[in-house]
Amino acid sequence: EAGVAQSPRYKIIEKRQSVAFWCNPISGHATLYWYQQILGQGPKLLIQFQNNGVVDDSQLPKDRFSAERLKGVDSTLKIQPAKLEDSAVYLCASSYYRDTIRNTGELFFGEGSRLTVL
Amino acid sequence: AQKITQTQPGMFVQEKEAVTLDCTYDTSDPSYGLFWYKQPSSGEMIFLIYQGSYDQQNATEGRYSLNFQKARKSANLVISASQLGDSAMYFCAMREGLVRNTPLVFGKGTRLSVIA
Repeated sequence: EAGVAQSPRYKIIEKRQSVAFWCNPISGHATLYWYQQILGQGPKLLIQFQNNGVVDDSQLPKDRFSAERLKGVDSTLKIQPAKLEDSAVYLCASSYYRDTIRNTGELFFGEGSRLTVL
Repeated sequence: AQKITQTQPGMFVQEKEAVTLDCTYDTSDPSYGLFWYKQPSSGEMIFLIYQGSYDQQNATEGRYSLNFQKARKSANLVISASQLGDSAMYFCAMREGLVRNTPLVFGKGTRLSVIA
């Protein structure tokens, strides 16, 4: 079974430029998450999708970040314009949504996209 | 308020020895799940072990076990017989409530270094 795919792995941009990250979750996983991981910290949720609908985007800085999940599969996270503090690893994760005792609901992560803003 | 606290920024362990990574959590919800993830230098977060708040026994997965002390709100990860490949960042995470797709909240992590 293929894992969560993310691209690009690395991106370096100047501040005020824009950048987009792409994520393809595990086949059949209805829930998709974007997390931001700043160096030395744990991942922090930016946005959660269930199929193609947004479940939680309360921590997404909407003045500069946007995300979409068209057709309930792939997702794109965009930053425009980028700030220095956006330098981080952007992790995409997916999970198999089933409310059963056996399903722990663990998240499956991609390798992340490392962004450096100069 | 910090929901997940990992007080050890870094730990060292000799190869083949056991090591305990600490995690305390804070929640008022009686239903929750606790997770441990490993993050090697490649960056991918790898799921290790899960403990549900109603589970009667401590979770075990191969060399990983979770020392769950509900009254103390702690969920320490124990790695037995450490290997060089265990060197990585380890994150404790929590999901509050029973809904399986509620996002996980992560701690700041502990960097484990295994010494030959």
